[in-house]
Amino acid sequence: AQSVSQHNHHVILSEAASLELGCNYSYGGTVNLFWYVQYPGQHLQLLLKYFSGDPLVKGIKGFEAEFIKSKFSFNLRKPSVQWSDTAEYFCAVNLNAGNMLTFGGGTRLMVKP
Amino acid sequence: DTGVSQNPRHKITKRGQNVTFRCDPISEHNRLYWYRQTLGQGPEFLTYFQNEAQLEKSRLLSDRFSAERPKGSFSTLEIQRTEQGDSAMYLCASSFGLNNEQFFGPGTRLTVL
Repeated sequence: AQSVSQHNHHVILSEAASLELGCNYSYGGTVNLFWYVQYPGQHLQLLLKYFSGDPLVKGIKGFEAEFIKSKFSFNLRKPSVQWSDTAEYFCAVNLNAGNMLTFGGGTRLMVKP
Repeated sequence: DTGVSQNPRHKITKRGQNVTFRCDPISEHNRLYWYRQTLGQGPEFLTYFQNEAQLEKSRLLSDRFSAERPKGSFSTLEIQRTEQGDSAMYLCASSFGLNNEQFFGPGTRLTVL
């Protein structure tokens, strides 16, 4: 069965610091990759997604992620975080042939003003 | 608001009681998903519908759980004889088409006393 690992459970940064959140998945076939964000008190929202093509994908609010197939990774990055980026971030995977999403355990990001 | 809606938002029940949750997907979305999220974890897939057909069920979905989507629009998730371990956030998501981007609702938080 596929699984998703997010190695950083809690991250604390100061505003303007750069962010990289790790995500690794275990599945050898073709996958679709997603990052979702959950702001305090709000529901899960899609940040960005990768289906095919350019492995560097850009999402909303200045976020981007790079798919490295050889490393089974899909790390999320942002060059300069803001206080408003404080949230929980979830990496998710699904198979082309399937529809269920498999989520990682999440990374809780706190940005200090 | 044309997003995914879920009712109720909160449910407190005593162990052994039955509960039912409702999800209204985004209009015209033919796929509907149920997930469960416990504190500190990512969402876990429970079941999935395409139109009115329930196509996939997780082994997490014990025989006390049943889900329906009678007319291919809204869905209900019923838990019979609730147990304390059922306490969680129950999330609904919907999607349309081949890109399988899932849009999530706000969730129903269940507390079993």
